[in-house]
Amino acid sequence: EAGVAQSPRYKIIEKRQSVAFWCNPISGHATLYWYQQILGQGPKLLIQFQNNGVVDDSQLPKDRFSAERLKGVDSTLKIQPAKLEDSAVYLCASSLKGQGVREAFFGQGTRLTVV
Amino acid sequence: ILNVEQSPQSLHVQEGDSTNFTCSFPSSNFYALHWYRWETAKSPEALFVMTLNGDEKKKGRISATLNTKEGYSYLYIKGSQPEDSATYLCAFIHTGGFKTIFGAGTRLFVKA
Repeated sequence: EAGVAQSPRYKIIEKRQSVAFWCNPISGHATLYWYQQILGQGPKLLIQFQNNGVVDDSQLPKDRFSAERLKGVDSTLKIQPAKLEDSAVYLCASSLKGQGVREAFFGQGTRLTVV
Repeated sequence: ILNVEQSPQSLHVQEGDSTNFTCSFPSSNFYALHWYRWETAKSPEALFVMTLNGDEKKKGRISATLNTKEGYSYLYIKGSQPEDSATYLCAFIHTGGFKTIFGAGTRLFVKA
């Protein structure tokens, strides 16, 4: 079974530039998550999709971050414009249903450095 | 604000040592607790999903216990090996919207 695919693996951009990350979840997984993990902290949920609807985006900085999940499969996360404090690892994860008694399966993440 | 604490922050052990970490979480509105292992340059991988007070789970040399009444879970590694070196994350899922809150992790280094 193929895992969660993310790209790119690494990205370095200057502040005020834009960047986009892509995620392809495990086939058949209805729930997709984007997490931000800043060095020394635990992953923080940015947005959760159930199929192509948003379940939770309460911690997404909507003035600069956006995400979409077209056709309930692939997802993209965009930052525009980037700030220095956005430097982090962005993890995508998927699960069969909402994460509760079902574990989430994670991609390898995208390490973003904003300079 | 819901907080999930993990201790210690990092741990250095010798090969063959047994070790344990703690995950502390709110004792109310508990739904589930997950443990993940995150090796460098790899994806976080689920170790255990725990849902019932008193749960004990085991996978090889790794085991975990759960106390929902007092709000903690222990992860044990028996006879640590260098390949156990990783960050161990716990994730608390609470009934309020079934949100997931991760701890900051325990970074384990096992020296051969």
